[in-house]
Amino acid sequence: GDSVTQMEGPVTLSEEAFLTINCTYTATGYPSLFWYVQYPGEGLQLLLKATKADDKGSNKGFEATYRKETTSFHLEKGSVQVSDSAVYFCALSTSGGSNYKLTFGKGTLLTVNP
Amino acid sequence: GAVVSQHPSWVICKSGTSVKIECRSLDFQATTMFWYRQFPKQSLMLMATSNEGSKATYEQGVEKDKFLINHASLTLSTLTVTSAHPEDSSFYICSAPKVDTQYFGPGTRLTVL
Repeated sequence: GDSVTQMEGPVTLSEEAFLTINCTYTATGYPSLFWYVQYPGEGLQLLLKATKADDKGSNKGFEATYRKETTSFHLEKGSVQVSDSAVYFCALSTSGGSNYKLTFGKGTLLTVNP
Repeated sequence: GAVVSQHPSWVICKSGTSVKIECRSLDFQATTMFWYRQFPKQSLMLMATSNEGSKATYEQGVEKDKFLINHASLTLSTLTVTSAHPEDSSFYICSAPKVDTQYFGPGTRLTVL
């Protein structure tokens, strides 16, 4: 079945440090890939997505590139801020349309210190 | 964006009682909603797909009679945990799709004593 593996945290960085959170997947067919973020006390929010190989998703300074050859979708940010402290989830979907199911990784807790 | 709410945000109940959790799409209609369960330090696990006007579709291993789902309108789905036991204690999250994006509720923390 489909699965997502992401690096386990917690990850602790100083402000302005470079961030990488690794994510690899196993899926049948050609999945869409997502990064969701969960800030303390809030629901999951879509951070970025990519729907086909070599697509790059980007938002709020975060980027991730859909690498089919390595089945990866690593999340990066060049300079993190304290406000980026949250739990980050990598996810995939192999269903189409609006009725699609998401398979999530375990989540990575990021803490950014001033 | 779009907003999905859940109520209550947390609930504590005695073993053997039933608890109802509501999931509402506030500014859009959703014929389908999803219910997830999240254990501490673990991933979100899809429990079931809630379908407006028809029966829910449960994932393998999820007890249908234990977790009753009703999707009575285009903006409301409810999850009822029947005869709750301590092992049902968890964080329950719903989501609803709008166009090609899933929008998540803030979650409900259930504690069964």
